[in-house]
Amino acid sequence: DADVTQTPRNRITKTGKRIMLECSQTKGHDRMYWYRQDPGLGLRLIYYSFDVKDINKGEISDGYSVSRQAQAKFSLSLESAIPNQTALYFCATSDVRGGESFFGPGTRLTVL
Amino acid sequence: GQQVMQIPQYQHVQEGEDFTTYCNSSTTLSNIQWYKQRPGGHPVFLIQLVKSGEVKKQKRLTFQFGEAKKNSSLHITATQTTDVGTYFCAGRDSGTYKYIFGTGTRLKVLA
Repeated sequence: DADVTQTPRNRITKTGKRIMLECSQTKGHDRMYWYRQDPGLGLRLIYYSFDVKDINKGEISDGYSVSRQAQAKFSLSLESAIPNQTALYFCATSDVRGGESFFGPGTRLTVL
Repeated sequence: GQQVMQIPQYQHVQEGEDFTTYCNSSTTLSNIQWYKQRPGGHPVFLIQLVKSGEVKKQKRLTFQFGEAKKNSSLHITATQTTDVGTYFCAGRDSGTYKYIFGTGTRLKVLA
């Protein structure tokens, strides 16, 4: 089984809808991250969490919110989706030493 | 804020040719990581460099970290079709605990 899972894998929604993307991990890592990937822009950090009580904004947090429900779960919400939030979203984890990150399979989100 | 740029954005090579991608940071880095993302896949960790001037090799891949710890490179010798994908660097700023990813270089290998 995959160590980092994301649901859903694909989602098409309409402008103004609320969307939640979920991430779960079985690696036992404290640190979790949400990134979005756009062609030519690489991976940009949206939010990150170093433990259950720690939430930090990344480079592009506007329009997004997160919740760290447990060590293993980190969800990303779009309160009112807009078309320029159409992107590939990745969740990732790393251990407290900040070594390699382990990425989930990604969620492809389309906002019409 | 910290910015990490990679060049080139795209590279097409004939199988057997060499390939290099360069990563440049606007700030001094504490360390740098490299990832590979296959088409349709997710980024997978390749290596981490920590020391100034460090060079590491993985088979046909050679990774370098600049003396000033603001740039890095990945060189692939004699590319193969299995090397196809996008290569990302990710730099950690000395004052933070998060990594900023570069824009990536997409490699296409023509058989």
